[in-house]
Amino acid sequence: ILNVEQSPQSLHVQEGDSTNFTCSFPSSNFYALHWYRWETAKSPEALFVMTLNGDEKKKGRISATLNTKEGYSYLYIKGSQPEDSATYLCALRGLNRDDKIIFGKGTRLHILP
Amino acid sequence: DTGVSQDPRHKITKRGQNVTFRCDPISEHNRLYWYRQTLGQGPEFLTYFQNEAQLEKSRLLSDRFSAERPKGSFSTLEIQRTEQGDSAMYLCASSLDLALNTEAFFGQGTRLTVV
Repeated sequence: ILNVEQSPQSLHVQEGDSTNFTCSFPSSNFYALHWYRWETAKSPEALFVMTLNGDEKKKGRISATLNTKEGYSYLYIKGSQPEDSATYLCALRGLNRDDKIIFGKGTRLHILP
Repeated sequence: DTGVSQDPRHKITKRGQNVTFRCDPISEHNRLYWYRQTLGQGPEFLTYFQNEAQLEKSRLLSDRFSAERPKGSFSTLEIQRTEQGDSAMYLCASSLDLALNTEAFFGQGTRLTVV
């Protein structure tokens, strides 16, 4: 059974500070890991899809790493800006009978001016 | 193609009524997912399709919920005899399932309120 855990649930960060949060998943059934950003009144939007152990991906000030052997991924935001305020969702796609995209509960990020 | 579209965007219904939502995926996408999201939670998996075949339906979903994708293009999600607990945002997503690194594209959702 796929279970995706995200922490923290909510986070307040001062504008300009850097931050990171965690996604944990069962390492035994890994196929691909997704990060999405979900802004209020918009659709979730994909940030990264990662498949290989040790993968690191970057988009502007946001980057992510993946450790499939221990079952975790980190999302980093450097120099937070107000537009970074959103819910960040981690999702796992498993193997075989778990070949579907399952989401964690998300980390809600609030950037304080 | 403007992306995944869902209709309606909002639906208010009385308890006990049936409702049907529609999702039009990105045209060449073969996978289609339905999720439900309630306050403070991430998207909860409901069901998904590969072309017209429904591959799995969540065990959490009662028999009042049914989904179809008759021609492998648009999909409908029907809820019969709605209950107040069905109030949620219903999200549809589609993807082109040809490679490991395929992302899903979401619609803007249908917000259901059962009164």
